[in-house]
Amino acid sequence: GENVEQHPSTLSVQEGDSAVIKCTYSDSASNYFPWYKQELGKGPQLIIDIRSNVGEKKDQRIAVTLNKTAKHFSLHITETQPEDSAVYFCAADPFGNEKLTFGTGTRLTIIP
Amino acid sequence: EPEVTQTPSHQVTQMGQEVILRCVPISNHLYFYWYRQILGQKVEFLVSFYNNEISEKSEIFDDQFSVERPDGSNFTLKIRSTKLEDSAMYFCASSALRGQFSYEQYFGPGTRLTVT
Repeated sequence: GENVEQHPSTLSVQEGDSAVIKCTYSDSASNYFPWYKQELGKGPQLIIDIRSNVGEKKDQRIAVTLNKTAKHFSLHITETQPEDSAVYFCAADPFGNEKLTFGTGTRLTIIP
Repeated sequence: EPEVTQTPSHQVTQMGQEVILRCVPISNHLYFYWYRQILGQKVEFLVSFYNNEISEKSEIFDDQFSVERPDGSNFTLKIRSTKLEDSAMYFCASSALRGQFSYEQYFGPGTRLTVT
């Protein structure tokens, strides 16, 4: 089955700086890669996703890049703000069969 | 904005008891899922459900677990005889479509299940 590795497990960034979280996946058939933000006591919130037919997608301060050859994808947050502090999870979906495999999460802390 | 809702937010039960966790998916969604997250760990897939039947399930989803869509709005997860290791946050999710074109899964706020 699919295996998703995520790094780093914790990340502290000065407010205004950029944050980058990286994930690798094992199943070359995976074709959908969402990123979720989870705040304390809440469910995962979809913030951006990318499909295997594109290499990059951007939505305001958030961008995701995908390298299918290397089987890794990354989340980039620019101009970080205190409200970006949360746990971020990457996920992959093998074969488009709905079964998301999640990474282990990154606790992002924005330092004011 | 439509959202997935779950009840209860917290359920405490004794080992061996049955529990039912309830979810109301987004109204025009057709695909439903349960995931769980043990404290401090990653989110794990349990089961997906479409057209009144299970379409995929994980190794975690054994005979103690069952899912049902009893009416047009609710989606439930039943654990027949709870074990201590079932203690976790259980998330329901739904999506409008599957496959190549549209796939986003939207998660509910979760039910924290504590088995004592």
